[in-house]
Amino acid sequence: DTEVTQTPKHLVMGMTNKKSLKCEQHMGHRAMYWYKQKAKKPPELMFVYSYEKLSINESVPSRFSPECPNSSLLNLHLHALQPEDSALYLCASSLVAGFTDTQYFGPGTRLTVL
Amino acid sequence: GIQVEQSPPDLILQEGANSTLRCNFSDSVNNLQWFHQNPWGQLINLFYIPSGTKQNGRLSATTVATERYSLLYISSSQTTDSGVYFCATTDSWGKFQFGAGTQVVVTP
Repeated sequence: DTEVTQTPKHLVMGMTNKKSLKCEQHMGHRAMYWYKQKAKKPPELMFVYSYEKLSINESVPSRFSPECPNSSLLNLHLHALQPEDSALYLCASSLVAGFTDTQYFGPGTRLTVL
Repeated sequence: GIQVEQSPPDLILQEGANSTLRCNFSDSVNNLQWFHQNPWGQLINLFYIPSGTKQNGRLSATTVATERYSLLYISSSQTTDSGVYFCATTDSWGKFQFGAGTQVVVTP
C-alpha cells in the first residue's frame, strides 16, 4: 500500500472558523510533510515531522498549527485564516526525513477561505 | 538560497513525440528530484537523481552535478504525460524547494 490519504478533499471556511486537515499513511514512513500550493505555482514546504517530532517549520504563520499524534497521522489545524491562504494543501510521507528519499503525496485538500 | 530554473516553461507535444526538459541550479546540490503533477493535482515523485542517469519506462533522467543541471527525457509521449513537471532540490541551508515547473500538454 503506497497510498497517502487526505481529508477533506475540499474545504470552504470563513475567516473566523477553526478547521482541521487530516493526512494518513500506513507505509511505516517516519517522515511526514505539509506543503502549500497556490494556483500555477510550485508547492512550498511548510512543515516536516520526523519520528513524530517537528523538525522543520518554514516560518509559517501561527494560524497554521501542525500536529502529529502518531506515526501514521498528520493534522493541520487552521484558525483565523485569510483569503490569501486559499490554496491546495498537500501532505506527503517518506521513509525517513532529509529529502533523499522518495516522497509519496496525497491528493490534496483544496481550501477556500472566504 | 539556491536558484532552480526550469525550461521551457511550456511545451506542447503531439502524441508519440520525444522531448527534453531541463533544470538548472545555481549551486552544488546533494539531491535532485523530478516530480510530475497531473491536471487533477496529484503529485508523483519520478526520480531521485543527485547524479548519473536513471530510466523508468519511457522516462529517463540525467543529472550532471558538476555542471549544475539535470535533464528529464520523455520518449513516445502519451496524453497521460500531460501536466506539470517539477525539479526540486535542497540548498546549503537545508531548504527544500521546487523549480517553477514545465507545463506539458500532449495532444492526440
